[in-house]
Amino acid sequence: GAVVSQHPSWVICKSGTSVKIECRSLDFQATTMFWYRQFPKQSLMLMATSNEGSKATYEQGVEKDKFLINHASLTLSTLTVTSAHPEDSSFYICSARDWVAPDEQFFGPGTRLTVL
Amino acid sequence: AQKVTQAQTEISVVEKEDVTLDCVYETRDTTYYLFWYKQPPSGELVFLIRRNSFDEQNEISGRYSWNFQKSTSSFNFTITASQVVDSAVYFCALSEAEETSGSRLTFGEGTQLTVNP
Repeated sequence: GAVVSQHPSWVICKSGTSVKIECRSLDFQATTMFWYRQFPKQSLMLMATSNEGSKATYEQGVEKDKFLINHASLTLSTLTVTSAHPEDSSFYICSARDWVAPDEQFFGPGTRLTVL
Repeated sequence: AQKVTQAQTEISVVEKEDVTLDCVYETRDTTYYLFWYKQPPSGELVFLIRRNSFDEQNEISGRYSWNFQKSTSSFNFTITASQVVDSAVYFCALSEAEETSGSRLTFGEGTQLTVNP
């Protein structure tokens, strides 16, 4: 089956620093990648949708200048949390889909971000 | 707008009991997909099933079964003879057609299932 990886799996950083999270599709070309955020004991909330080679589409209430998304290739999307603060601490999950099966999404294992 | 409701926040059962997790959805689309995912404590989402709106046949996979009823907009999930390893958070999700919403997934709030020995 389709495999999506995320790196790092967890990260701890100081308030004010920036953190980059990578999402890779390992065995397929991901035309679209999605970024979700999940706070403890809550559901997954879609943050943004990114299509390869174009700007990401952000959901309402998500600051695009704070959460920078780049989808420069068909196998890699990155989420950069700029000037992270403790309230950005969360579990970030990416998913990817390819053009062959556009109605299926394959999820990465998630990245746990803790901002001190 | 699409919406998924999982009214059961937490369920606790004793091993070998059957348990049903409820899922009710709202959508204006005629073409859509419904999903169930399992999220163990590790956090990684485990895909369980995907069902499209034109296929109302119930499905059974081992101890898991799903009941899809368009008339009540429900897609319930039953675990038969539950086991401790079934303990996890279970999410129901809905995706409208790509041309409608770009196949964006909307998740329910999740149901925390605890199976006690």
